Amino acid sequence: DAKTTQPTSMDCAEGRAANLPCNHSTISGNEYVYWYRQIHSQGPQYIIHGLKNNETNEMASLIITEDRKSSTLILPHATLRDTAVYYCIVRVASGLGANTNAGKSTFGDGTTLTVKP
Amino acid sequence: EAGVVQSPRYKIIEKKQPVAFWCNPISGHNTLYWYLQNLGQGPELLIRYENEEAVDDSQLPKDRFSAERLKGVDSTLKIQPAELGDSAVYLCASSLNMDSDTQYFGPGTRLTVL
Repeated sequence: DAKTTQPTSMDCAEGRAANLPCNHSTISGNEYVYWYRQIHSQGPQYIIHGLKNNETNEMASLIITEDRKSSTLILPHATLRDTAVYYCIVRVASGLGANTNAGKSTFGDGTTLTVKP
Repeated sequence: EAGVVQSPRYKIIEKKQPVAFWCNPISGHNTLYWYLQNLGQGPELLIRYENEEAVDDSQLPKDRFSAERLKGVDSTLKIQPAELGDSAVYLCASSLNMDSDTQYFGPGTRLTVL
């Protein structure tokens, strides 16, 4: 699986958009970009994922560059409860059941996002 | 719907003692993962099960760590004997199957080895 690079930490003002970047320059064509977050003392929580197109759900938006070498997670209106460590990972696309690497997630150290009042 | 359940939440033991962690995945989820998370770092995969079969245990230190998922549902991770460096959070996650998009994590077991 491709490795990712994220800034160690970021701050964001409450109510403003939080834009979290991720570089995955060695991503291969069958790898999705996933985002998870981990609030203190809890297990990681799925946020969103995408392959090529931009994606949006009730939690966040994911913008993937055309060359797929980087992406940005956007929390449109950050709240204090969004303070967490955010992990960007890449993993082999679903549908490859015979491939033992399918579903394998390699977490880096993530970005610690601090939302400030 | 209940999430992934892990127990105990906290465990303190002395070095060289054995310890076991238990995980009950979300009902119907065939794939189960055990991760180790050191302080300030991301989770690292230890072992991955598809039903009762371990399909990836390449990162599991087999000299002291063992895991089982006998009926393809609950799983137990064991360390014997524990070392000081094993102090960490042990996370269990499950997904519908190996191809599933989303892993659901439990709260983890925080192990302290004295």
